[in-house]
Amino acid sequence: DAGVIQSPRHEVTEMGQEVTLRCKPISGHNSLFWYRQTMMRGLELLIYFNNNVPIDDSGMPEDRFSAKMPNASFSTLKIQPSEPRDSAVYFCASSLSGIGQQFFGPGTRLTVL
Amino acid sequence: TQLLEQSPQFLSIQEGENLTVYCNSSSVFSSLQWYRQEPGEGPVLLVTVVTGGEVKKLKRLTFQFGDARKDSSLHITAAQPGDTGLYLCAGAGDAGGTSYGKLTFGQGTILTVHP
Repeated sequence: DAGVIQSPRHEVTEMGQEVTLRCKPISGHNSLFWYRQTMMRGLELLIYFNNNVPIDDSGMPEDRFSAKMPNASFSTLKIQPSEPRDSAVYFCASSLSGIGQQFFGPGTRLTVL
Repeated sequence: TQLLEQSPQFLSIQEGENLTVYCNSSSVFSSLQWYRQEPGEGPVLLVTVVTGGEVKKLKRLTFQFGDARKDSSLHITAAQPGDTGLYLCAGAGDAGGTSYGKLTFGQGTILTVHP
């Protein structure tokens, strides 16, 4: 079975550009999480969706960040405009339920120059 | 805000040695999870401990949840180079319960086991 799929795996962009990260959760999972990992701050939850509805976005750093889940098999995390401090590894995770085991994707390494 | 402090941050040992990683908080968690993450990959769940005082063993790894459900430890016996990686603890919810399993992660322990 395919795990959580994320694309792209690596993204290098210039400050001010729009960045879109994509995630395909495990089929049948109804909960999806976006995380950001940096050396300084570790792994932080950005937003949580349940049944395609955003439930908790308190971790989204600012208005430049937005996330959508148009259907059960696809989610995007968009940064517009991007800044160098957004450089990090962004992970998507999914679970059968909000309290179930979370399965992480391989991450997208974002570098903003 | 619930915080989890992991120690040590870095651990470099020789194959065959034993080690312990600690995860401490001033908050109570409904459960605590341990993950292992390898370079270029996402974290993978090793174990979930739920009951205060609970001890779980996974081959050479022993996980313990504190009686008060505020702290946990991971002990590895006879470490091997294949154990090298980033180990993360994550607390779920709090004593009052949450609507979902929101995880609060520790900063992680980077373990290097030299052959």
